[in-house]
Amino acid sequence: NAGVTQTPKFQVLKTGQSMTLQCAQDMNHEYMSWYRQDPGMGLRLIHYSVGAGITDQGEVPNGYNVSRSTTEDFPLRLLSAAPSQTSVYFCASSYGTGGDEQYFGPGTRLTVT
Amino acid sequence: GQQLNQSPQSMFIQEGEDVSMNCTSSSIFNTWLWYKQDPGEGPVLLIALYKAGELTSNGRLTAQFGITRKDSFLNISASIPSDVGIYFCAGRSGGSNYKLTFGKGTLLTVNP
Repeated sequence: NAGVTQTPKFQVLKTGQSMTLQCAQDMNHEYMSWYRQDPGMGLRLIHYSVGAGITDQGEVPNGYNVSRSTTEDFPLRLLSAAPSQTSVYFCASSYGTGGDEQYFGPGTRLTVT
Repeated sequence: GQQLNQSPQSMFIQEGEDVSMNCTSSSIFNTWLWYKQDPGEGPVLLIALYKAGELTSNGRLTAQFGITRKDSFLNISASIPSDVGIYFCAGRSGGSNYKLTFGKGTLLTVNP
């Protein structure tokens, strides 16, 4: 198994541009989530999904959209990038719908200028 | 929202020393997890705890689920240089709450 994969690994955007961060898992996990990690802030939940067709907001959802059309994929969309969205983004998945024992991808480092 | 207080924020120790860190919460959690993050990588799950009072080991690592369900502890024995990294605690209150709350991390430096 490849586990949780994320693309791209690095990205630079200008303010106002849009982009999609890709996340895929091949473990047939029901639960998937997106976090952002900023210095001194730990990991903060952006959005999560307990199964295909079901998504919900986390702690910091503003400026981000998600969809879950398949079990495997959970893309994160930035509609109009802002410098405050400069961060490292992690996707994670877990087997049960409860969100315990989440396994993380390698991260995407995003810079918005 | 729920918050976890993780301490210490950083530790500088000599190789061979034992390490202790902990997390506390103002509310009850049904699940406690401990993760380690190496530079440039995603967090890796070390230990998962599901029962108050539970003590679980993974090699030189031992974690405990506090009996009040508001805290958890991680101990590392006989530290080695590859233990360097950021250690995060995470908790979930359970039931229909599907969100993990993370502590802000403990940065561990091991001097060989």
